[in-house]
Amino acid sequence: EVQLVQSGAEVKKPGESLKISCKGSGYSFTSYWIGWVRQMPGKGLEWMGIIYPGDSDTRYSPSFQGQVTISADKSISTAYLQWSSLKASDTAMYYCARLGGTTKNFQHWGQGTLVTVSS
Amino acid sequence: EIVMTQSPATLSVSPGERATLSCRASQSVSSNLAWYQQKPGQAPRLLIYGASTRATGIPARFSGSGSGTEFTLTISSLQSEDFAVYYCQQYNNWPPLFTFGPGTKVDIK
Repeated sequence: EVQLVQSGAEVKKPGESLKISCKGSGYSFTSYWIGWVRQMPGKGLEWMGIIYPGDSDTRYSPSFQGQVTISADKSISTAYLQWSSLKASDTAMYYCARLGGTTKNFQHWGQGTLVTVSS
Repeated sequence: EIVMTQSPATLSVSPGERATLSCRASQSVSSNLAWYQQKPGQAPRLLIYGASTRATGIPARFSGSGSGTEFTLTISSLQSEDFAVYYCQQYNNWPPLFTFGPGTKVDIK
């Protein structure tokens, strides 16, 4: 069974850094793209970027390019989303999701990580 | 960038009735269109990909149709567990520029 297990909720102050994680299991971690999706409170879904853990090829949505960094450690089957300086507007639920093989839809989802940024 | 629109924003339906949700792309996405269901407090779940293929474990009452710019998700007979928000998403571009629609909330009439 494919599973994506995300790290727990975070409460941070503006200006702080943060790295959240997504551990994949039940499939070949290096063979599928993993993406990150943001959902701000009461709002819809926004695609942030994707990474191919096999070679770390990373693609960002123009809306998030330069705002976050996506990475992966294939030795521990874990993808990451990180911020160097959080803003209050980064408050949101963040989901990781694995893409399908031949079809690039988001086939399997993590449970989400709630990030709250408040002074 | 391909812009996705969904209509209606909210659909009020009685249990057992049919629900028809629409999704439109600003330019052709071929059949590279997925539908997701999201219930309150839960992660989204893939329902349909390739515009019309049900994902594993999805009941047959969910069906998708369309290609190009116009797509439809039909729920043939709404069950209580189907009241949720439904999002469409295109994945036609590579390098990727995936975009989601704003969602349709299906609530109880």
